[in-house]
Amino acid sequence: SAVISQKPSRDICQRGTSLTIQCQVDSQVTMMFWYRQQPGQSLTLIATANQGSEATYESGFVIDKFPISRPNLTFSTLTVSNMSPEDSSIYLCCWRTGANEQFFGPGTRLTVL
Amino acid sequence: GNSVTQMEGPVTLSEEAFLTINCTYTATGYPSLFWYVQYPGEGLQLLLKATKADDKGSNKGFEATYRKETTSFHLEKGSVQVSDSAVYFCALTQATNAGKSTFGDGTTLTVKP
Repeated sequence: SAVISQKPSRDICQRGTSLTIQCQVDSQVTMMFWYRQQPGQSLTLIATANQGSEATYESGFVIDKFPISRPNLTFSTLTVSNMSPEDSSIYLCCWRTGANEQFFGPGTRLTVL
Repeated sequence: GNSVTQMEGPVTLSEEAFLTINCTYTATGYPSLFWYVQYPGEGLQLLLKATKADDKGSNKGFEATYRKETTSFHLEKGSVQVSDSAVYFCALTQATNAGKSTFGDGTTLTVKP
């Protein structure tokens, strides 16, 4: 199965700044997703990253706050904009097979001061 | 909407003890069911899956059986090891919901030597 890497693995950021997280898959995949995992909690789907078109956002998440790019079938970025301490989370990208198995990247641990 | 309910943790066991982590779900139709594991400081990894009623998923000594009549997918292992200490997530994916996944809240397992 395709292997996912994420950069950065962790970061500490100041309030009001933005951070772009990169997700690279080592082969072409159709379905890619971005999740957020807040401390001690489960995963919440932010959006589906669609190749060549705008991402599809879940309720409670908007493009202005979490712009997503998906320029090709192996790469996606998630930007966390105008950060506040409430954005401190682990951000995970993943891809899904036709059998609905999901393979996750190692995550980006974000702390906002 | 879909939902997944997991046994609350944390769960603490001695090495070689029997493990059960309960998982029940609410969904229409026939979702695929999964268990994911998250080791400390890492992303989620697929542990096992079942795609139809009465299927048994198994991996690394863990097992779970898809029970349609009780809408359950309990995770079991006959003899846990210290290295099994992790957070375990039950999840479902339903093709009729655009393939989106719903995750339980996670159960933290600590195995003591």
